[in-house]
Amino acid sequence: GAGVSQTPSNKVTEKGKYVELRCDPISGHTALYWYRQSLGQGPEFLIYFQGTGAADDSGLPNDRFFAVRPEGSVSTLKIQRTERGDSAVYLCATSPGGRSSGRSEQFFGPGTRLTVL
Amino acid sequence: AQSVTQPDIHITVSEGASLELRCNYSYGATPYLFWYVQSPGQGLQLLLKYFSGDTLVQGIKGFEAEFKRSQSSFNLRKPSVHWSDAAEYFCAVGAGLRSNFGNEKLTFGTGTRLTIIP
Repeated sequence: GAGVSQTPSNKVTEKGKYVELRCDPISGHTALYWYRQSLGQGPEFLIYFQGTGAADDSGLPNDRFFAVRPEGSVSTLKIQRTERGDSAVYLCATSPGGRSSGRSEQFFGPGTRLTVL
Repeated sequence: AQSVTQPDIHITVSEGASLELRCNYSYGATPYLFWYVQSPGQGLQLLLKYFSGDTLVQGIKGFEAEFKRSQSSFNLRKPSVHWSDAAEYFCAVGAGLRSNFGNEKLTFGTGTRLTIIP
């Protein structure tokens, strides 16, 4: 597709369950970011990938959160033992990336709304 | 650490009136600044960005913003709003990452919700 896509668009789960959220980047974009947006707040940075590696995971709130990008394209955000406080919209963004691309904007997906009951 | 303040949680303006949304940032170096708009059920869309050069930047949908280093501000303006401008507006500052590939995580403000009245 032309833009960043995220699946599912909505996810309802029970406290303690495991969830996976998927992000399909714009073709050719090597930089990928995950953000979390709680109700009434701006997005907060979680993790950044350059290619397959996590270049900065300083925004992950705790070790229940993990993300992968094994082939440098699709990324999955994984949350273990979900808690009610994890309820939020999880946004994925991508940009062309790489040393030669210089400064560039991030293109955001529509997000996955996670509700933990 | 960088931060962004959007002091106005909610602004209401009449259609056709001018608009200014305030944004103040805190960052230890030359900032990279952005304004995004988020409509209900939609993703974040970039309105405009400032990396360097001319401090008055033009964006899409008739928006502009002015970078004022002395005031640490990057206010968004539009001379005449349309009903379709009703949305949530986010200011963001880009920060360099450890890997320094030239890509940056963004720190967002809490947003300003814009309501347009006929």
